[in-house]
Amino acid sequence: AQTVTQSQPEMSVQEAETVTLSCTYDTSESDYYLFWYKQPPSRQMILVIRQEAYKQQNATENRFSVNFQKAAKSFSLKISDSQLGDAAMYFCAYAGYALNFGKGTSLLVTP
Amino acid sequence: KAGVTQTPRYLIKTRGQQVTLSCSPISGHRSVSWYQQTPGQGLQFLFEYFSETQRNKGNFPGRFSGRQFSNSRSEMNVSTLELGDSALYLCASSLSSGGSSYEQYFGPGTRLTVT
Repeated sequence: AQTVTQSQPEMSVQEAETVTLSCTYDTSESDYYLFWYKQPPSRQMILVIRQEAYKQQNATENRFSVNFQKAAKSFSLKISDSQLGDAAMYFCAYAGYALNFGKGTSLLVTP
Repeated sequence: KAGVTQTPRYLIKTRGQQVTLSCSPISGHRSVSWYQQTPGQGLQFLFEYFSETQRNKGNFPGRFSGRQFSNSRSEMNVSTLELGDSALYLCASSLSSGGSSYEQYFGPGTRLTVT
């Protein structure tokens, strides 16, 4: 079974600064997909970014980018120019036959 | 395009009762997955339906069941409710099942409280 580990239960960042959220996973597959989802206080899960394992290029979506290290099975999320609206729980997920989620990292953004 | 909708948004039930939750996927999406979110266990996969057939199932007891209709709308049912079933139930839709289709889009969830 694939497991996803997010080792940082909470992180804090100042507005306009950059923060990196960590995620590691375990799999024996060679081709798979990884995702970061954001869950604000409204509880609505929002897809932030997707990475396909066979692509060596790291995915980028505006202020969000990933550092995908396939050999190390690491998939971190970098948020640049942090905004107050970025405050939320962030979940890393591995796509097997279903999404396997990590426990989440709570991101606090301070003015 | 309208997003994933779930009804009801909030529900309070008594132990032993049963409950049915509904999910309408994004138009054109044929796969619907259900997840349970609790503070203790996090997000756990319940099951996935695609073209009215259950494709995958998570590790939940048989009290949890679901179905999908020809218009891709899905329902999940929980019978003989237990206190531990109190959770946020999230529905997610995607174009198809497996692989890159796991770009899933989530609904706002149904908050179930069992007393």
